Amino acid sequence: ETGVTQTPRHLVMGMTNKKSLKCEQHLGHNAMYWYKQSAKKPLELMFVYSLEERVENNSVPSRFSPECPNSSHLFLHLHTLQPEDSALYLCASSSGQSSTGANVLTFGAGSRLTVL
Amino acid sequence: GQNIDQPTEMTATEGAIVQINCTYQTSGFNGLFWYQQHAGEAPTFLSYNVLDGLEEKGRFSSFLSRSKGYSYLLLKELQMKDSASYLCAGRDSNYQLIWGAGTKLIIKP
Repeated sequence: ETGVTQTPRHLVMGMTNKKSLKCEQHLGHNAMYWYKQSAKKPLELMFVYSLEERVENNSVPSRFSPECPNSSHLFLHLHTLQPEDSALYLCASSSGQSSTGANVLTFGAGSRLTVL
Repeated sequence: GQNIDQPTEMTATEGAIVQINCTYQTSGFNGLFWYQQHAGEAPTFLSYNVLDGLEEKGRFSSFLSRSKGYSYLLLKELQMKDSASYLCAGRDSNYQLIWGAGTKLIIKP
């Protein structure tokens, strides 16, 4: 399978549940990202991993916990979320975290999260 | 602060031409990106401009003016499949992407 794959595509959870989002890339990229996309708002960068080390954490609440076990996989663990966390969560990868040149992001189709 | 502005929604007719504008304010500048996102799908890369001028890629062209902090995406010979959201993003001096909220383009027959 090529590109960036995210599972599940849809998730409904209660505020006390624990769930995880999974992202997988087979592009040979060494940087992976989690973004939050809410309706009519700009993409919000949540976390960046470069060579499996977290290099950015944009003041994201601790109820979101990322994990990057290897360069091909990225997880977002969710615990005691709030209704305002309902959004589309996009995973992306690139060949470098910061560099000259385009360094284009390849996105997955996202996980649509609804918190009840 | 850093900011990207683009129209929320635009409507155009099949076969016509549409121009989607984007103005940016970033701390330093290292390029301007356009992505296309169909409903329920992943955003996909369309274009990257770092020098002033027009970059043409088939029916799509992207223009940049660094002195004006301005870019546009030009879509020619519109097709129904071009109905999508178009995301503008500027890259700052730290190579961080600053995103606009996206422009939803509606194509009518």
